Amino acid sequence: AQSVTQLGSHVSVSEGALVLLRCNYSSSVPPYLFWYVQYPNQGLQLLLKYTSAATLVKGINGFEAEFKKSETSFHLTKPSAHMSDAAEYFCAVTRPDNTDKLIFGTGTRLQVFP
Amino acid sequence: KAGVTQTPRYLIKTRGQQVTLSCSPISGHRSVSWYQQTPGQGLQFLFEYFSETQRNKGNFPGRFSGRQFSNSRSEMNVSTLELGDSALYLCASSGLAGYDTQYFGPGTRLTVL
Repeated sequence: AQSVTQLGSHVSVSEGALVLLRCNYSSSVPPYLFWYVQYPNQGLQLLLKYTSAATLVKGINGFEAEFKKSETSFHLTKPSAHMSDAAEYFCAVTRPDNTDKLIFGTGTRLQVFP
Repeated sequence: KAGVTQTPRYLIKTRGQQVTLSCSPISGHRSVSWYQQTPGQGLQFLFEYFSETQRNKGNFPGRFSGRQFSNSRSEMNVSTLELGDSALYLCASSGLAGYDTQYFGPGTRLTVL
């Protein structure tokens, strides 16, 4: 079975500071991993995905994530936060042979202060 | 290419009623998945349809059902609504079941009074 744990339901950073959102996964098979972002009253937008190619994945809006098998982690980072990054971020896992059933973490709400 | 569309965007119903939500996938996508999002339970998988067949099902009661049409549009139905069914219902589409990334619509906000 697959599961993800997102450490920290709320993260606050200053504009220009490093953003680090943590995600650890559990999977009985090599997983596919995703980060989605949700802005208020909107659906989920794909930020980036890991599908067993390069372990460092670059996404949209300057975000990137690194797959670390030894740590079972897939943390999301951005070198410099922008006010527009304030949103809720979800990590998700799925099986490569069943990618239509995403298992989501509980989400991390990112606040960015000026 | 147009994104995933969901209608209606907002619904208010009363307990005991039933509701039907609609989802139109991205053109060319054949798989449609549905998720329920609530503050208490987070994002939970409801079911997935591919070529008019339900391929995956989450852990929800039988009051939740769905179907997919030949043009890949999908509907989900909730019968005998309960207060706890109040949620944001999200639809996602992907190109090939088992191989592709899911792209989400804006959701339908259902409020049960």
